[in-house]
Amino acid sequence: KQEVTQIPAALSVPEGENLVLNCSFTDSAIYNLQWFRQDPGKGLTSLLLIQSSQREQTSGRLNASLDKSSGRSTLYIAASQPGDSATYLCAVRGILTGGGNKLTFGTGTQLKVEL
Amino acid sequence: EPEVTQTPSHQVTQMGQEVILRCVPISNHLYFYWYRQILGQKVEFLVSFYNNEISEKSEIFDDQFSVERPDGSNFTLKIRSTKLEDSAMYFCASRLAGGEQFFGPGTRLTVL
Repeated sequence: KQEVTQIPAALSVPEGENLVLNCSFTDSAIYNLQWFRQDPGKGLTSLLLIQSSQREQTSGRLNASLDKSSGRSTLYIAASQPGDSATYLCAVRGILTGGGNKLTFGTGTQLKVEL
Repeated sequence: EPEVTQTPSHQVTQMGQEVILRCVPISNHLYFYWYRQILGQKVEFLVSFYNNEISEKSEIFDDQFSVERPDGSNFTLKIRSTKLEDSAMYFCASRLAGGEQFFGPGTRLTVL
């Protein structure tokens, strides 16, 4: 059974700092990995999708890397801003799980960027 | 930009009542999902739906739950007899083949 862990659980940084969020998963047989942002009481906004054959993806100030063999992904946020404050979720999509290919989520990292 | 929509945003019901949560996935998507998130916990998979049938369901998705795609646009989750522990945020998601999953804003279900 796939287990996804995110470290740290919470992080508080001053504005402008570069930061790294970590995600690890136990079963390396994945199809892809998504990073999401969740604001309090809100839905999930997809940030980046990395296919299993890729090593990294970039979108603006965000860069996500994937090391499938070691079961790790990182989300790098450059020049953090107060508007980046949210919970960041990592989710992996399994292979051939009856065709549904569900996402298995981590517990998230709650990020606070302070002025 | 196309998006997944869900109604209602908040549903309050009495224990034992039936509720139907509604979703309109992105129009050309093929795969549909329901997830839930109990307050303070992980997002959990409930069920996936493809080609007009359930393709996978979790152990949470017991006989009290059902899904339906009654027409070409709506995707519904029905809970026949709600329990207190069904209180959660319910998310609908959809995707194309091989693509990322796009999530709706969620329906907050409160069972009293």
